[in-house]
Amino acid sequence: SQQGEEDPQALSIQEGENATMNCSYKTSINNLQWYRQNSGRGLVHLILIRSNEREKHSGRLRVTLDTSKKSSSLLITASRAADTASYFCATYISYNTDKLIFGTGTRLQVFP
Amino acid sequence: GAVVSQHPSWVICKSGTSVKIECRSLDFQATTMFWYRQFPKQSLMLMATSNEGSKATYEQGVEKDKFLINHASLTLSTLTVTSAHPEDSSFYICSYRRDRAYMNTEAFFGQGTRLTVV
Repeated sequence: SQQGEEDPQALSIQEGENATMNCSYKTSINNLQWYRQNSGRGLVHLILIRSNEREKHSGRLRVTLDTSKKSSSLLITASRAADTASYFCATYISYNTDKLIFGTGTRLQVFP
Repeated sequence: GAVVSQHPSWVICKSGTSVKIECRSLDFQATTMFWYRQFPKQSLMLMATSNEGSKATYEQGVEKDKFLINHASLTLSTLTVTSAHPEDSSFYICSYRRDRAYMNTEAFFGQGTRLTVV
């Protein structure tokens, strides 16, 4: 089952532009995480935002969380061709589980 | 971050044969491990959760007799796709989290295994 829906499904931009991806989820969460996946590879953790946080930064990444709307966004500023990848949000489906469930993902293509 | 080694990175097998995929945590011990499956351009779907020394817990719709999981030690888990068919062709990824004391934290993933059944 999918916990989160992400949009857009695919995004193409030029280098230097900003990329924004959105994630909506269904259940109450303790935290929400964003992962990156290069084509044909495993996933790399990018950032974790806790339910009591509204915004978090890490380098060129900015994540927001709105628990009232059950949504999160990932902003990549000043994108680079190397940012080309798929991006997934992920949450645990309840407080007492360690099952990490992923959203549908956004495929980002950054053209040089 | 933790290092997870998954092997092989790709495999091609004939229909009816079995394939074993290994997943090792190289720098920490993990009592819980997760196996995911991913079809092209789709998200990761959780297949099963395994705990060291006990039977794996499978998600709804996943055949436990087809996808055998062995979590023999705190650093090694294996997924065996038995009697593989072309529809089993997919990308399989293992994931570790640190010990249960760190519940609800980030996960670490293997590099994935591309299985093609011909």
